[in-house]
Amino acid sequence: EPEVTQTPSHQVTQMGQEVILRCVPISNHLYFYWYRQILGQKVEFLVSFYNNEISEKSEIFDDQFSVERPDGSNFTLKIRSTKLEDSAMYFCASSEEGGGNQPQHFGDGTRLSIL
Amino acid sequence: RKEVEQDPGPFNVPEGATVAFNCTYSNSASQSFFWYRQDCRKEPKLLMSVYSSGNEDGRFTAQLNRASQYISLLIRDSKLSDSATYLCVVNDSTLTFGKGTMLLVSP
Repeated sequence: EPEVTQTPSHQVTQMGQEVILRCVPISNHLYFYWYRQILGQKVEFLVSFYNNEISEKSEIFDDQFSVERPDGSNFTLKIRSTKLEDSAMYFCASSEEGGGNQPQHFGDGTRLSIL
Repeated sequence: RKEVEQDPGPFNVPEGATVAFNCTYSNSASQSFFWYRQDCRKEPKLLMSVYSSGNEDGRFTAQLNRASQYISLLIRDSKLSDSATYLCVVNDSTLTFGKGTMLLVSP
């Protein structure tokens, strides 16, 4: 069964450094998403992406965050200057189509630890 | 602000038991609903969609009551492998997750 893959599985970074989290969505999917889950809390939406542009973003997704689809397969989340509170699991997801009825399939996440 | 509320957990049940999870959502215009399961420190995995007429997938039954903005998940004949956190999810183009209810099935 096709799956969303994410790298790295664990990233440890000093506060203030930039990090790039990578995702390869399912190949025929057109809609891509990033979510995060702080330890012990609920999964939270960050951003959705379609046709090479952001279609929706949450209030969490401020100016320190950016997303990019640099080639035909990768979808990246960049955090420019990391803070301690950015420590969380970051999940990439993709769906075949947009809209409410399409289930989103999640990658197994990147655990980001900011020191 | 869109909210999804779930039963607090954990639910501790013996193998073979029937267990029900409840969920309410705040956005009356929401159209699409799912149950995901999440194992400890793993990604959410789609369990099933929830349809207006109710739907069943093996031991799992999902129900939706739009008037009450209420969703439920019933697990019959629970297995040890059902132990996980069950996430109620509302899809309004982006997913809004509940905090989840932990289920622990014991031998």
